[in-house]
Amino acid sequence: NAGVTQTPKFQVLKTGQSMTLQCAQDMNHNSMYWYRQDPGMGLRLIYYSASEGTTDKGEVPNGYNVSRLNKREFSLRLESAAPSQTSVYFCATNPPNRAGELFFGEGSRLTVL
Amino acid sequence: GEDVEQSLFLSVREGDSSVINCTYTDSSSTYLYWYKQEPGAGLQLLTYIFSNMDMKQDQRLTVLLNKKDKHLSLRIADTQTGDSAIYFCAESSGSSNTGKLIFGQGTTLQVKP
Repeated sequence: NAGVTQTPKFQVLKTGQSMTLQCAQDMNHNSMYWYRQDPGMGLRLIYYSASEGTTDKGEVPNGYNVSRLNKREFSLRLESAAPSQTSVYFCATNPPNRAGELFFGEGSRLTVL
Repeated sequence: GEDVEQSLFLSVREGDSSVINCTYTDSSSTYLYWYKQEPGAGLQLLTYIFSNMDMKQDQRLTVLLNKKDKHLSLRIADTQTGDSAIYFCAESSGSSNTGKLIFGQGTTLQVKP
């Protein structure tokens, strides 16, 4: 039982390049989330998906797009990467009856040069 | 807007008690959470407290909630070197119980042998 799996774990991009972070969960949860973690700032919500086929903006959505491909997968895309998007990205999911109990992936560390 | 504040660093000796403090602004938050992040890993839920409670105890962990002052604390008794990690306080965004959490900056706990 892998829980929440993120790929890649590390990535270096040049400014202007695009890439997609992948996330998959095998917990059969409806809701999935993308957070970013920056030093001294905690975690901030980028986008979330309450169920398959729906997505909504979080606190810091600018520069990102998401796709809820199916119940298991929720991807985060950077169309034109900027140095300000250098961060550690976490995907998470939660059970419906314990909504604040987030299960996180191990993170994807992205550096934009 | 909603905000959660924590001190950034705490150092204790093994066997001592650790107290990590947090203040929050949204009085409508239904639940308040403590998450733990070990190096290179995602966050894991440690414990949570419902907003109508003053205290919750779970083995070595004690959570105290002062709603009047919007102050939350996490006490770890008999702190061990394995407790060294970053601890995040979080509140649910608004009164709804979802995975849309507002995180503090995180407190790095250093446990010296």
